[in-house]
Amino acid sequence: ELKVEQNPLFLSMQEGKNYTIYCNYSTTSDRLYWYRQDPGKSLESLFVLLSNGAVKQEGRLMASLDTKARLSTLHITAAVHDLSATYFCAVDIRTGTASKLTFGTGTRLQVTL
Amino acid sequence: NAGVTQTPKFQVLKTGQSMTLQCAQDMNHEYMSWYRQDPGMGLRLIHYSVGAGITDQGEVPNGYNVSRSTTEDFPLRLLSAAPSQTSVYFCASSSHRGFSYEQYFGPGTRLTVT
Repeated sequence: ELKVEQNPLFLSMQEGKNYTIYCNYSTTSDRLYWYRQDPGKSLESLFVLLSNGAVKQEGRLMASLDTKARLSTLHITAAVHDLSATYFCAVDIRTGTASKLTFGTGTRLQVTL
Repeated sequence: NAGVTQTPKFQVLKTGQSMTLQCAQDMNHEYMSWYRQDPGMGLRLIHYSVGAGITDQGEVPNGYNVSRSTTEDFPLRLLSAAPSQTSVYFCASSSHRGFSYEQYFGPGTRLTVT
């Protein structure tokens, strides 16, 4: 059974600081996704990581994937209040034509002034 | 494009009642899926479909039925609602014609079973 663990579960950080969210998973996969969710809202796709060593950046967020270590990171640079949200990683296990996502429990990020 | 739409947005049911959550997408995606999200947890896969007429179970299928008669629609039926089914339900779709298989999520249905 695939397990996806995120840490930390809750992160309070000051504006301007840097921090990293970690996503560990237990089964081989070469496809990982990061999503953002604001309170009461749906999930917004942030990054799609498709191979070992993949690195993607958008604004103050950068995601990377190490398939050998079964680890993905979401790095936040110089945090701003607008980044406050819950961040989920999701690992894709493909069986035939089916693509099944297993989600981590999420990291609730609070950026304080 | 409207993307993925879900109705209703909110629903309250009594234990034992049945209902159908609607999901539609206008992106011609082959793959559609239903997830539930409980407080403090990530999303868990209920059922999925790789195309019209083809469905399969996910991680937590008990108490739910699905069918896929068209590419656009993927309704989720609760057969006999139980308080344990109180949750937020998300529908998602993706195309498997490319390589990313990125899933696009609907706005969600918040269901309370009393």
